[in-house]
Amino acid sequence: EEQLVESGGGLVQPGGSLRLSCAASGFIFSNYWMSWVRQAPGKGLEWVANINQDGSEKSYADPVQGRFTISRDNAKNFLYLQMDSLRAEDTAVYYCASSLSDWGQGTLVTVSS
Amino acid sequence: SYELTQPPSVSVSPGQTARITCSGDALPKKYAYWYQQKSGQAPVLVIYEDNKRPSGIPERFSGSGSGTVATLTISGAQVEDEADYYCYSTDTSGDQAVFGGGTKLTVL
Repeated sequence: EEQLVESGGGLVQPGGSLRLSCAASGFIFSNYWMSWVRQAPGKGLEWVANINQDGSEKSYADPVQGRFTISRDNAKNFLYLQMDSLRAEDTAVYYCASSLSDWGQGTLVTVSS
Repeated sequence: SYELTQPPSVSVSPGQTARITCSGDALPKKYAYWYQQKSGQAPVLVIYEDNKRPSGIPERFSGSGSGTVATLTISGAQVEDEADYYCYSTDTSGDQAVFGGGTKLTVL
């Protein structure tokens, strides 16, 4: 059974950094492009970033361009999101998804002083 | 930046057909995907590549497209279909992805 499990969320001060991880199992991870999607409290879904199968192509939403970095380790079956210069508006549940077909349960990131 | 536009809410009675639209300039060239999200849960893919249904999704869910509008149709909506529904697609370059604002479906 395909499974995605996010971790690394928590409370961080504005301007701080956080690294999210997503552990993949039950499928051939290296065959799928991967995404991070977030959802602020009470709001809709917002695409954050995509990465292709070998990590050579990445794309980002405008609000996170230059602050967030998506990466993957196909040997370990992990997806990552490095988040720097965090702002209050980055507060959200962050989901990882495989080709946007299967999703994890999300990890909450709260940016507050 | 590219946008997809959905109606904020749709309401039907049980057994009726619910239609949720998604409007975007690139939809004639790019696929639409549809997600169902129930309260407190992760999204679930219900339609991909405009009109394909993943395994395990009931046949009452279907997708279609005409020009700049994609439509999710739920034929014979059930109470358990109450949820928020989101469309997803990309701009013409394929570099920028976006979700629609979401539509709250009420079945009562």
